[in-house]
Amino acid sequence: AQSVAQPEDQVNVAEGNPLTVKCTYSVSGNPYLFWYVQYPNRGLQFLLKYITGDNLVKGSYGFEAEFNKSQTSFHLKKPSALVSDSALYFCAVRDQAGTALIFGKGTTLSVSS
Amino acid sequence: EPEVTQTPSHQVTQMGQEVILRCVPISNHLYFYWYRQILGQKVEFLVSFYNNEISEKSEIFDDQFSVERPDGSNFTLKIRSTKLEDSAMYFCASSGMRLARDTQYFGPGTRLTVL
Repeated sequence: AQSVAQPEDQVNVAEGNPLTVKCTYSVSGNPYLFWYVQYPNRGLQFLLKYITGDNLVKGSYGFEAEFNKSQTSFHLKKPSALVSDSALYFCAVRDQAGTALIFGKGTTLSVSS
Repeated sequence: EPEVTQTPSHQVTQMGQEVILRCVPISNHLYFYWYRQILGQKVEFLVSFYNNEISEKSEIFDDQFSVERPDGSNFTLKIRSTKLEDSAMYFCASSGMRLARDTQYFGPGTRLTVL
């Protein structure tokens, strides 16, 4: 069965510092991996995805994520955090056969000024 | 930029009543999905829909739930007899292709409160 783990409920960083939000996954076969962000009282906004190719994926708002097959991880990163990045971040996985996105429980990112 | 829209933004209903949640997917998309998020919990897949048929459904999507594309633009989720535990945020999503690599774009959600 597919699953996604986000081991941290909350990540706190100071503005201007680099940030990392962790995600590990379990899926049979090759994974398709996604990051979404949710602002308060808003829907899920797509940030980036890994399908194949380069392990470093660049997405919206300066975010990037690194796919590591041996560690089954897909950590979200940003070199310099902004206060406006404060939100709830979800990692999700799909396998090649299915249509459903399987989400992690989410990580709250808090960026302080 | 095209986006998925959902109505209403908030629905309050009595237990046992039927509710219909509405979604307008992105216009050239062919695949449609419903997810739900119970307060404080993870987003859970309910159902995917293509060519007027359910493609995949989760264990949550029991006989109380149904989906329909009544016309060329709307996609609905019906809950036949609501229960207290159906209280959640319901998200509609759409994608252009069924390929797993394609991105699903989500609407803003409908908050369903069952009293």
